Amino acid sequence: DGGITQSPKYLFRKEGQNVTLSCEQNLNHDAMYWYRQDPGQGLRLIYYSQIVNDFQKGDIAEGYSVSREKKESFPLTVTSAQKNPTAFYLCASSIDYLGNSPLHFGNGTRLTVT
Amino acid sequence: AQKVTQAQTEISVVEKEDVTLDCVYETRDTTYYLFWYKQPPSGELVFLIRRNSFDEQNEISGRYSWNFQKSTSSFNFTITASQVVDSAVYFCALSEAQNYGQNFVFGPGTRLSVLP
Repeated sequence: DGGITQSPKYLFRKEGQNVTLSCEQNLNHDAMYWYRQDPGQGLRLIYYSQIVNDFQKGDIAEGYSVSREKKESFPLTVTSAQKNPTAFYLCASSIDYLGNSPLHFGNGTRLTVT
Repeated sequence: AQKVTQAQTEISVVEKEDVTLDCVYETRDTTYYLFWYKQPPSGELVFLIRRNSFDEQNEISGRYSWNFQKSTSSFNFTITASQVVDSAVYFCALSEAQNYGQNFVFGPGTRLSVLP
């Protein structure tokens, strides 16, 4: 079955440590996205990638970094510079970046930083 | 700037009741797309429907129906004869054709609780 796999499901880190969230898709989609979800709020875009080896900052990119070395993989690193990293992180993909294709989401990673 | 408003933060209904979730959007683009997603407790967002700005036909899929009205910039979602499995957070989203990449704006979501 095609889909998006995010790992791990739960992640705990100490303040000051960098942490990388994994996102893999086997849908052969060109575009991939990272969103952050906080309680009672909608999704906010962190980074997106329209194609391999290219990515762009979203609305809340500060304190995060990404790479897109392979079409199927789009890992997100939460750095120590992110002031409030505890949140639910969702990875998504779409066939293209034109905006008319629905996003397909992974199951999310819940990050807790203490 | 594009914006999506879901004024209902939480709704509770008893099973078999009908319920309508409201979505109001703002955009300056003439070509845009509207979406509804369901987020069950497991966390994954599930795509429900897409509508483009040129198609104002209402749509029905089983117990789900959607009412798209450009005149009021609304894209409301109705669940008929609700069931406990419908309990989830529902998000409305807008995508503008001109805004490649950064093209999905989500509303804050409406939490629906269907009580047995």
